[in-house]
Amino acid sequence: QKEVEQNSGPLSVPEGAIASLNCTYSDRVSQSFFWYRQYSGKSPELIMSIYSNGDKEDGRFTAQLNKASQYVSLLIRDSQPSDSATYLCAVNEVTGGGNKLTFGTGTQLKVEL
Amino acid sequence: NAGVTQTPKFQVLKTGQSMTLQCAQDMNHNSMYWYRQDPGMGLRLIYYSASEGTTDKGEVPNGYNVSRLNKREFSLRLESAAPSQTSVYFCASSEVGLWGTDTQYFGPGTRLTVL
Repeated sequence: QKEVEQNSGPLSVPEGAIASLNCTYSDRVSQSFFWYRQYSGKSPELIMSIYSNGDKEDGRFTAQLNKASQYVSLLIRDSQPSDSATYLCAVNEVTGGGNKLTFGTGTQLKVEL
Repeated sequence: NAGVTQTPKFQVLKTGQSMTLQCAQDMNHNSMYWYRQDPGMGLRLIYYSASEGTTDKGEVPNGYNVSRLNKREFSLRLESAAPSQTSVYFCASSEVGLWGTDTQYFGPGTRLTVL
């Protein structure tokens, strides 16, 4: 069973600070990694994807991937109260029947005024 | 574009009743998925369909059946509902992108309670 591990939190940061969310995965052959944001009572929405080692920046979000250490992280700069949500890490698995995602249980982020 | 739509939004069943959750997507995606989400358990894959005419079991398929009716529609059926199936059910769809990877887009969810 392929595993994706996240700290459930809650992770509390003050407004304007950097929030750092981490994720580790067990399958060494995984090639694609995703961060989804889920507000309470809503469906997950994609915020970042990353496929290569290193950093990928999109606005206030930066995804970091280290395949050798099998971890992926998400940094949120200048955190806003609207960033308060659960962040789900997902790892792609390519099978004969198509592509599947394995999700972590999510980290709850709280941005405090 | 409506994206991924699901019906119903809410449902309450009694133990032993059956029901079908409907999902449709208008993005011309080949792949569709059904997940359940429980507190502390994250999203778990029930069934998926890589393309029209194919379906495969995911992590937690017991107690469910699926039908890929056409490219747009993918339904999930509970034949005899049990309280353990109380959950939020999400449908998702995706298209293979660069390097064979998928980005999955989710519907709004169905909140099911089995008494």
